[in-house]
Amino acid sequence: GDSVTQMEGPVTLSEEAFLTINCTYTATGYPSLFWYVQYPGEGLQLLLKATKADDKGSNKGFEATYRKETTSFHLEKGSVQVSDSAVYFCALSRSNDYKLSFGAGTTVTVRA
Amino acid sequence: EAQVTQNPRYLITVTGKKLTVTCSQNMNHEYMSWYRQDPGLGLRQIYYSMNVEVTDKGDVPEGYKVSRKEKRNFPLILESPSPNQTSLYFCASSLLLNGEAFFGQGTRLTVV
Repeated sequence: GDSVTQMEGPVTLSEEAFLTINCTYTATGYPSLFWYVQYPGEGLQLLLKATKADDKGSNKGFEATYRKETTSFHLEKGSVQVSDSAVYFCALSRSNDYKLSFGAGTTVTVRA
Repeated sequence: EAQVTQNPRYLITVTGKKLTVTCSQNMNHEYMSWYRQDPGLGLRQIYYSMNVEVTDKGDVPEGYKVSRKEKRNFPLILESPSPNQTSLYFCASSLLLNGEAFFGQGTRLTVV
């Protein structure tokens, strides 16, 4: 079945540091890939997505590129802020499926 | 404001006492789902619904029931809760299959 593997956290960074969260997936066909973010006490919200190979999703300074050859969708941000402290989830969805398959989540803490 | 509303946000109950967690969306979305979030496991789908009166099991449906009598509402029912159902629950809706999912704020359930 489908699965998503994320790097384990927690990750602690200083402000303005570079952030990378690795994500790899296993799925048949060509799934859509997502990054969701969960701020403390809130539900998940979509951060960015990519629907086909070599697509780059971007939002709020975050980027991720759909790499079919390595089955990866790593999340990056060049300069993090305290407000980026959250749990980040990588997820996939196949075109004929009614669910999102999530990774375990990575907790990121950014210190001033 | 477009939103998914869950109630209650927090609930402590005893084993075997039936409970319902409500979920309502105001975006006229076709698709709705329930997920549970557990540490180290990410989010796992419990049930989903494609439209009114159309529901189906997700990955972890045991011990749960749902109904979809109106498009906007998708309650989650635990007929006889057990301690292993202690978790954080999220309702989600989406307009399109494989599209962006909008999540509620979550319901933290503790079964003692």
